Amino acid sequence: GQNIDQPTEMTATEGAIVQINCTYQTSGFNGLFWYQQHAGEAPTFLSYNVLDGLEEKGRFSSFLSRSKGYSYLLLKELQMKDSASYLCAVRDLLNSGYALNFGKGTSLLVTP
Amino acid sequence: DAGVIQSPRHEVTEMGQEVTLRCKPISGHDYLFWYRQTMMRGLELLIYFNNNVPIDDSGMPEDRFSAKMPNASFSTLKIQPSEPRDSAVYFCASNERGASYNEQFFGPGTRLTVL
Repeated sequence: GQNIDQPTEMTATEGAIVQINCTYQTSGFNGLFWYQQHAGEAPTFLSYNVLDGLEEKGRFSSFLSRSKGYSYLLLKELQMKDSASYLCAVRDLLNSGYALNFGKGTSLLVTP
Repeated sequence: DAGVIQSPRHEVTEMGQEVTLRCKPISGHDYLFWYRQTMMRGLELLIYFNNNVPIDDSGMPEDRFSAKMPNASFSTLKIQPSEPRDSAVYFCASNERGASYNEQFFGPGTRLTVL
């Protein structure tokens, strides 16, 4: 996706905490989304931030700083089933309307 | 609700053939999106509709691609003629404006292979 950067790969241990960062550049910011995608499956919605701060949802939290063009997804108490690709996506009303611009995804491997 | 439905799930065709992908959005959703996913380019928007009207088709690669939405419960993406570089997973997604998170719900995708 254009101007959306996230690491390509990460590895973490079962039970640990991992933080996946995402930086973006937009002119008409209208929300940042995180999706999870298991191999061979469709992306599924994890979280949404439109205001600065932390949104917590069980083991997953997402943070946004609009002034810095920065977000992170925090996964706690990692489980083997968390091995997947994590996609950061931004809605930019000025450039792409109601569609989402996706980063290329971070492939997370959780090891025993 | 059954979620977003796409067909076929897999399609293998030869270069030059016409390919038609189908999508049924979630009932009541007023936005429908077609995305394409490849290893090299990730997930990219092709086109999206609002209330059956195409809003942004700037992501459609070229004239070989066309999309229609004749009613609120059905959309097609057609490739004619198909080329090997069109091989990808094509996702359809829908959402309802005004919902709490405005998130898009994705269908299972169609994996297209053009030989």
